[in-house]
Amino acid sequence: EERLVQSAAEVKKPGESLKISCKGSGYNFSNYWIAWVRQMPGKGLEWMGIIFPGDSTTRYSPSLQGQVTISVDKSINTAYLQWSSLKASDIGIYYCARLAKGGSPNWFDPWGQGTLVIVSS
Amino acid sequence: SYDLTQTLSVSVALGQTARITCGGDNIGSKNVHWYQQKPGQAPVLVIYRDNNQPSGIPERISGSNSGNTATLTISRAQAGDEADYYCQVWDSNTVLFGGGTHLTVL
Repeated sequence: EERLVQSAAEVKKPGESLKISCKGSGYNFSNYWIAWVRQMPGKGLEWMGIIFPGDSTTRYSPSLQGQVTISVDKSINTAYLQWSSLKASDIGIYYCARLAKGGSPNWFDPWGQGTLVIVSS
Repeated sequence: SYDLTQTLSVSVALGQTARITCGGDNIGSKNVHWYQQKPGQAPVLVIYRDNNQPSGIPERISGSNSGNTATLTISRAQAGDEADYYCQVWDSNTVLFGGGTHLTVL
């Protein structure tokens, strides 16, 4: 079964750093783009960026560039999303999702189960 | 920038047909994908490339795309179809999601 498994929920304070993960299994991880999607409380889906594990090519949403860093370690089939200094507004559920083969303009399937990030003093 | 417009909520009687729309400038020229998200769960792909069903998605869930509107159609609506539905496209190498439509099955 092709799946993405994400790291557990996190509770952090403003200003702290954080790195969450997304591990792929059941397929050739290096050959498929992995995206990160944010869902703030009670809101819709927002694309944050995407990375190609094969060569670490990364693209960010223009509205979020500089606020987060997307990286990958293909030796352990894992993609990461990290913050250097969290803000209260970073609270939400963060999903990773695999882009179908062929890249743009394709769809995302499967999705990880989501990682809840709570930022509170 | 390209905008996708979805109605906030749609209601349908049990067993009837629900239509959820996604509006955008000449969206008919783009590939539209649809996701279903139930409370507390991750999104699930239900339609890809306008009108294709992934394995495991019932045929009563279908899609179409023409002009300025893409439509997700759910026939013979069931209680289990109650969820949020999101359309998704690519524009200028970025991914865009519609704001989402909540489907209520009465």
